[in-house]
Amino acid sequence: DADVTQTPRNRITKTGKRIMLECSQTKGHDRMYWYRQDPGLGLRLIYYSFDVKDINKGEISDGYSVSRQAQAKFSLSLESAIPNQTALYFCATSPSRTGASGANVLTFGAGSRLTVL
Amino acid sequence: RKEVEQDPGPFNVPEGATVAFNCTYSNSASQSFFWYRQDCRKEPKLLMSVYSSGNEDGRFTAQLNRASQYISLLIRDSKLSDSATYLCVVGIRSNDYKLSFGAGTTVTVRA
Repeated sequence: DADVTQTPRNRITKTGKRIMLECSQTKGHDRMYWYRQDPGLGLRLIYYSFDVKDINKGEISDGYSVSRQAQAKFSLSLESAIPNQTALYFCATSPSRTGASGANVLTFGAGSRLTVL
Repeated sequence: RKEVEQDPGPFNVPEGATVAFNCTYSNSASQSFFWYRQDCRKEPKLLMSVYSSGNEDGRFTAQLNRASQYISLLIRDSKLSDSATYLCVVGIRSNDYKLSFGAGTTVTVRA
């Protein structure tokens, strides 16, 4: 099984619908992230969480919300989807301890491709 | 100006060739540097971290030039399996720790 699992992998929806993308991990990492990737642009951070009770906005959080239900689970919601939210969404995790081996190195899920019509 | 800029390519090279490309970053306070590899429609995966003294991992060599604010990746003896998009990632610690991604450089190795 994958270390970071995203569901659904593909979703087509209509404008105005509520969508939830889910992410679960078996890495035991405290830190979890949601990114979106658009053609010609680098990955952009939507939200991140360093612990179960910690939620932080990234550079493009408008129109999105998240929930960190447990250390291993981090879900992204689009309350009312719009076409410019069509993108490839990645969940990622990283270890929490600065300086630890692998610190700041991200492990990504396989991605969730969302199309909003 | 983008925080991390890369030549999108594509770099089309024959098997066995050497290919090299750079990534420039705008924030002089950047502290950590990485190259990730992304295959088409798949997730990015860490290729290598980039250290101040430069480092090598098999056929891959990464260099950091802090004065000119760029990092480079060189691939020797290219294989068909090296065809991918290579993402430059730069980390900055200010109030928090932030990673900025380049849009990627596409490399296509042909037989």
